[in-house]
Amino acid sequence: AQTVTQSQPEMSVQEAETVTLSCTYDTSESDYYLFWYKQPPSRQMILVIRQEAYKQQNATENRFSVNFQKAAKSFSLKISDSQLGDAAMYFCAFPLGGETSGSRLTFGEGTQLTVNP
Amino acid sequence: DTGVSQNPRHKITKRGQNVTFRCDPISEHNRLYWYRQTLGQGPEFLTYFQNEAQLEKSRLLSDRFSAERPKGSFSTLEIQRTEQGDSAMYLCASSFAGTSGTYTDTQYFGPGTRLTVL
Repeated sequence: AQTVTQSQPEMSVQEAETVTLSCTYDTSESDYYLFWYKQPPSRQMILVIRQEAYKQQNATENRFSVNFQKAAKSFSLKISDSQLGDAAMYFCAFPLGGETSGSRLTFGEGTQLTVNP
Repeated sequence: DTGVSQNPRHKITKRGQNVTFRCDPISEHNRLYWYRQTLGQGPEFLTYFQNEAQLEKSRLLSDRFSAERPKGSFSTLEIQRTEQGDSAMYLCASSFAGTSGTYTDTQYFGPGTRLTVL
C-alpha cells in the first residue's frame, strides 16, 4: 500500500526562525513526484513546493526547501525566516497510480504550524 | 491565469435534498480532480477526468454521487438525497498532463465548496 505519514500534528516556531516539518511515505514506484501544500484558515489548498524523485538535488522555492531522502522515503519541508503568514496546516502529498490512473493525490494527516510573533 | 474557481463557496441544505457544485479549471488544463475534506483531515480523492472522460472513481463515491465534465472544461458534482455525513469541504483541482516525461502532473486547487447538511 502507498501511504503518507506526518508524525507531527502540531508545530510552533518563532517569527524569523526556522522550522522543519516531517513526512515519510511508502511506495514501490521508482519515479514519482512529492508535494507540500499549505492550507490557511481560508482552506484554499496552496502548492508550496514539489520534488521530483529522479532528481538528487533538493527543491527550493524562496524560503521553502525540502530534504528529500529517497532511500529512507523521507520528504521534510524546511521553512526559513518564518513569517506570520506561514501559519497554516501543511500537508505532504504523494500521487497514487500509474500512467493510466492519473495522479490522484494521497495526503498525510497534516501538521498545524503556528508562528509566534 | 485566473486559477481554479468553484461555486458556490458555501451550501447549506436539508437532509434528503439534492445539491450540485461547479468547478471551472485553469483553461489549458486537461485533468480535473474532485476531493472531499472533513475537518482535521487531509483531502480524500473522489474522482478524476481527463478531458471529458471520467477515468477513475473512488470507493468513497457512492451511487448518490455523480460527476460530469461534458465538454472537457468545467465539471459538476451532484449529490442526491444528501445525508448529514456528506457535510464536508469539496475541493476541485486541475492539472495539465503532457505526453512526454514523467506522468505526474501538478494539481492546483480551487477554494472549495463547503457543504452543510442539516
